Amino acid sequence: KNEVEQSPQNLTAQEGEFITINCSYSVGISALHWLQQHPGGGIVSLFMLSSGKKKHGRLIATINIQEKHSSLHITASHPRDSAVYICAVEGGGGADGLTFGKGTHLIIQP
Amino acid sequence: NAGVTQTPKFQVLKTGQSMTLQCAQDMNHEYMSWYRQDPGMGLRLIHYSVGAGITDQGEVPNGYNVSRSTTEDFPLRLLSAAPSQTSVYFCASRMAANTGELFFGEGSRLTVL
Repeated sequence: KNEVEQSPQNLTAQEGEFITINCSYSVGISALHWLQQHPGGGIVSLFMLSSGKKKHGRLIATINIQEKHSSLHITASHPRDSAVYICAVEGGGGADGLTFGKGTHLIIQP
Repeated sequence: NAGVTQTPKFQVLKTGQSMTLQCAQDMNHEYMSWYRQDPGMGLRLIHYSVGAGITDQGEVPNGYNVSRSTTEDFPLRLLSAAPSQTSVYFCASRMAANTGELFFGEGSRLTVL
């Protein structure tokens, strides 16, 4: 089964800072998902990518297939970005092919 | 579009009771799944379905039962609740297995006393 590691586990930053969250995995994959979960809330898909880079508003996701690594960047961070960010990979095991990381808990202070 | 609708949002059960978590999607998605989320752990797959009439076990299926009689609905049944089943449960759907983005319900917080 694919091993998915996210770093950091917890991150506290000031409003306006540039944020980077990392995801590494152990076995080759076909795609990677970035998900967002607000406190007490549901889970929302931010990106699904298999190569290169995707951008949506202030969020940027990149993936390096050779290095088995992905990053999620948040530019001009805002308190409403406070959430848990979850990386999930497709391929390399798991009953339905998906393996989830444990999440990165981000707090943006005003 | 309502997306994925999950009910109830909160439930308290006594050990040994049974209940059903409901999940419905209106996007005509073939793939649906149930996960549980526990502190310090990633989402863990309980059961999944790749289409109506087809279900399969995930990583932690014991104590849970599912059926998929229609494309829209994928209920999760707890047969005899145990304190170890205290968790937050999420239903998810996507176009097909390994295809498209994931859509999640709002979650159901279950406490078993």
